[in-house]
Amino acid sequence: DVVVTQSPLSLPVTLGQPASISCRSSQSLLYSDGNTYLNWFQQRPGQSPRRLIYKVSNRDSGVPDRFSGSGSGTDFTLKISRVEAEDVGVYYCMQGTHWPITFGQGTRLEIK
Amino acid sequence: QLHLQESGPGLVKPSETLSLTCTVSGGSISRTAYYWAWIRQPPGKGLEWIVTMDYSGNTYDNRSLKSRITISIDTSKNQFSLNLSSVTAADTAVYYCARGALRDFDFWGQGTLVTVSS
Repeated sequence: DVVVTQSPLSLPVTLGQPASISCRSSQSLLYSDGNTYLNWFQQRPGQSPRRLIYKVSNRDSGVPDRFSGSGSGTDFTLKISRVEAEDVGVYYCMQGTHWPITFGQGTRLEIK
Repeated sequence: QLHLQESGPGLVKPSETLSLTCTVSGGSISRTAYYWAWIRQPPGKGLEWIVTMDYSGNTYDNRSLKSRITISIDTSKNQFSLNLSSVTAADTAVYYCARGALRDFDFWGQGTLVTVSS
């Protein structure tokens, strides 16, 4: 199985400051169709996961533009340009290139 | 507005079969553009993909659970279901149903907690 490793696992951030989460996979996530199936999800406390970013860098409808995704191959990053209180929660990256689909361990973002 | 709602027993005895249903509203489960999936999350832990299926019953499943999984889809009721046999305490989790592409999930249900205990 493809192992997806996130860092850090805990991320205390001051309101208004930027935040960055790394996601690394044990194999390249570039698929034969030319797409890279790496997605980011946000799980707020007590809620189900919500997709923020799909195929590395495509923001979902309604997702604030302070969220951005980047990367290629095995190294990916989710960035929040200015953290707001509503961003508190756990962030997961997920790879869909290889079966079985696998998730990172999650990064818990909290406000300092 | 698409809505997915999981339903089923909240408590299952060890060695028995866990049965859950996802009811889809606000969209047809028969749309060929979409796939339907089950994902679970043990309390306080991360996410584990279980299975993905299309409306015609083609499936992709997590081989770690494959031998215990049975899935079905009922297009007349706009529902799909998961059966997980021979459960143990390790199967205690919040179970989510989700919609998406074959390799992605763009919309999730609210989840339902299933506890395996005697």
